[in-house]
Amino acid sequence: NAGVTQTPKFRVLKTGQSMTLLCAQDMNHEYMYWYRQDPGMGLRLIHYSVGEGTTAKGEVPDGYNVSRLKKQNFLLGLESAAPSQTSVYFCASSQDRGVLYNEQFFGPGTRLTVL
Amino acid sequence: RKEVEQDPGPFNVPEGATVAFNCTYSNSASQSFFWYRQDCRKEPKLLMSVYSSGNEDGRFTAQLNRASQYISLLIRDSKLSDSATYLCVVVYGGSQGNLIFGKGTKLSVKP
Repeated sequence: NAGVTQTPKFRVLKTGQSMTLLCAQDMNHEYMYWYRQDPGMGLRLIHYSVGEGTTAKGEVPDGYNVSRLKKQNFLLGLESAAPSQTSVYFCASSQDRGVLYNEQFFGPGTRLTVL
Repeated sequence: RKEVEQDPGPFNVPEGATVAFNCTYSNSASQSFFWYRQDCRKEPKLLMSVYSSGNEDGRFTAQLNRASQYISLLIRDSKLSDSATYLCVVVYGGSQGNLIFGKGTKLSVKP
């Protein structure tokens, strides 16, 4: 099993450009998440999904959109990139074992720079 | 924002040392707790869950103190391979989105 994969691994954008980050998992997990990690800020939840066709906002959703058209995929979109969105983006997934037992499996991350 | 606070370190210790990290959380409604490990430029990985009665996994011991609202991680007989950043995670329950990561404590084990 590949676990959680993310594409691309690195990307440089100019301000105002758009892009989509793809996350895929082959563990048949119900839940998927997008985080960003910035120096001194820790991991912050952007959006998450509790199942195919559903999405919900996390702590820092502004400037991002997501879609979960297939259970195994969770897409993160930036419609008009800004330098403040320069970050490392992690996708994660977890099984439906109840909210309190939520081991999340992370992808390797996407390093995004917005100039 | 619900807060989860950790000493950022770095903790620089020799091989074989015992080292302890604390993590404090602000919301008494917190319901479950975890420690994750993150190697440099890698993704976080679950190290262990933290139970009310405390739990041990080899050289690692996790403790929870609900009255004082902190959790701890003790590493005995440190190895070079323990060098990493340790992330405290607090789950508030209610939904899958109610999970807060601390900023992490960096550990460097030296020969």
